[in-house]
Amino acid sequence: SQQGEEDPQALSIQEGENATMNCSYKTSINNLQWYRQNSGRGLVHLILIRSNEREKHSGRLRVTLDTSKKSSSLLITASRAADTASYFCATAPNTGGFKTIFGAGTRLFVKA
Amino acid sequence: DAGVIQSPRHEVTEMGQEVTLRCKPISGHDYLFWYRQTMMRGLELLIYFNNNVPIDDSGMPEDRFSAKMPNASFSTLKIQPSEPRDSAVYFCASSLNGPSLGTLHFGNGTRLTVT
Repeated sequence: SQQGEEDPQALSIQEGENATMNCSYKTSINNLQWYRQNSGRGLVHLILIRSNEREKHSGRLRVTLDTSKKSSSLLITASRAADTASYFCATAPNTGGFKTIFGAGTRLFVKA
Repeated sequence: DAGVIQSPRHEVTEMGQEVTLRCKPISGHDYLFWYRQTMMRGLELLIYFNNNVPIDDSGMPEDRFSAKMPNASFSTLKIQPSEPRDSAVYFCASSLNGPSLGTLHFGNGTRLTVT
């Protein structure tokens, strides 16, 4: 079963707008990661936030983590057409090892 | 660094045939993962290795699936016999056990079609 669930499943915005994607998970985690997948390609790591962190920034990306609600959000500011892709959250449950589990993903479409 | 290399990029085979997917992880990475991606089920973890040893294969769907890692630079995922429901994109990923704990580096996948 999937550990993370993204919301919304699909998102369509205009270039320049901000895009927010949410992720919920079920069990205690070591860290939560966000990945991006362009059509026909493998996933690319964007950002990792540890369970003891609440917020992290990387360029136009901002990730928050609320372990009490078992949820995370990914904000992409000033979106560009090139940001069009699917975005996945991934969690490593706090049961040891590196069993990274991915959610179903959010498909983002940025209109130029 | 060339990244994770998977071959072939596309594979079309008939039901009942044996299929072998190949992966070369990033040099120095301790962990190797095999995932399967479909529209219906998303990304599923099939198996992962640490230092060439299988650690968790609970995601392998059936005995028809097997994976090996004979050395640190090569892994295979074999399906024998293949079935149409095995059609999917299979991804290999590797990870380094260090400060970037858990960050996965993916190959571009093998798109498998079983007719």
